[in-house]
Amino acid sequence: DAKTTQPTSMDCAEGRAANLPCNHSTISGNEYVYWYRQIHSQGPQYIIHGLKNNETNEMASLIITEDRKSSTLILPHATLRDTAVYYCIVRGSGGYQKVTFGIGTKLQVIP
Amino acid sequence: GAVVSQHPSWVICKSGTSVKIECRSLDFQATTMFWYRQFPKQSLMLMATSNEGSKATYEQGVEKDKFLINHASLTLSTLTVTSAHPEDSSFYICSASPAGHEQFFGPGTRLTVL
Repeated sequence: DAKTTQPTSMDCAEGRAANLPCNHSTISGNEYVYWYRQIHSQGPQYIIHGLKNNETNEMASLIITEDRKSSTLILPHATLRDTAVYYCIVRGSGGYQKVTFGIGTKLQVIP
Repeated sequence: GAVVSQHPSWVICKSGTSVKIECRSLDFQATTMFWYRQFPKQSLMLMATSNEGSKATYEQGVEKDKFLINHASLTLSTLTVTSAHPEDSSFYICSASPAGHEQFFGPGTRLTVL
């Protein structure tokens, strides 16, 4: 799996958009970008994934650069409940593919 | 949506005893499940891949005789920590995937070995 680089921590004001960057310069053509988050003392939660097109769901938007070497997860209106560690992961498709977690970004939403 | 459960959610045991943790996919079948361990303030570390009807595949450095994995059905995988010691105290998390890309994670089991 390609390696990813994320900032260790970020703050975001409640109600504002949270933009979480991720670099994955060694991503290969068949690898997807996945985002998960982990709220304290809970299991990780799937957020979104994409290959090369931008994606949006009820939780977030995923913007992938044209060269696919970086991406940004956008939480459009951050709430206090969005405070969590966010993991950007690059891997092949298929449920049998294991997920390798990095350190992630600790997002603190501030009232 | 796909739901993965774990039981128990927390367990305290004495050193030297064995502890079994269950991981269930509630509304889908999963031929493959994964087991992770997470120490405080650290990221999740993959321990092993559990395959229904066959032997689990362990990551380097994980003792297969200490962490016994049984994936006896398409909805249940168990992790048994044998002869547990205080250094085995951790947060154990499983994941599974229905047909498709996403993996869904269980809520985790906090193990404390006294």
